[in-house]
Amino acid sequence: GAVVSQHPSWVICKSGTSVKIECRSLDFQATTMFWYRQFPKQSLMLMATSNEGSKATYEQGVEKDKFLINHASLTLSTLTVTSAHPEDSSFYICSASRYGILNTEAFFGQGTRLTVV
Amino acid sequence: EDQVTQSPEALRLQEGESSSLNCSYTVSGLRGLFWYRQDPGKGPEFLFTLYSAGEEKEKERLKATLTKKESFLHITAPKPEDSATYLCAVQARSSNTGKLIFGQGTTLQVKP
Repeated sequence: GAVVSQHPSWVICKSGTSVKIECRSLDFQATTMFWYRQFPKQSLMLMATSNEGSKATYEQGVEKDKFLINHASLTLSTLTVTSAHPEDSSFYICSASRYGILNTEAFFGQGTRLTVV
Repeated sequence: EDQVTQSPEALRLQEGESSSLNCSYTVSGLRGLFWYRQDPGKGPEFLFTLYSAGEEKEKERLKATLTKKESFLHITAPKPEDSATYLCAVQARSSNTGKLIFGQGTTLQVKP
């Protein structure tokens, strides 16, 4: 299957600092990528839809100024958690969809464990 | 409102004991239904996409089926390495972004 690479796998940062997470589609072009947040033993919560060359679309309740999303190319989207606080500690996952003539497949990155201390 | 409900929340099986996981959905026009496997601390791993009622797909011990209201993930003679959380998600035809709506998942534990 297709590969979506997410970096870093884990990061620990001090409260008040910013953290950038990268998501790359390695073997296909992704016009649209998605960012999710996952709490322990819960399902994925969509945070925003990242569109190449345009502004991201955020889900209700997600702070745009805290979670900055940039989709600079067809293979790279970044999520920056600004002025991080302990409550931002979570597992963040990106995904990218590959559209074919007959089918659509959505692939996920490995996830990033963010711990804010 | 588009919605996905998975059952059971947790399932414990003995090695070799076949069973099924359920995914019930309501969506305003289904474009696709997706099954994923997620291991602790990792991102979901793509298993199947189903597009229309009556469709079936298989991969090793897993078989996914689809009706107009639900999907089943059948696990035949499971092994301990099949232990994971299985996620179901739907994509609505009305979505121009390909957004997925996820269920809460079923955590499967297979004991040797």
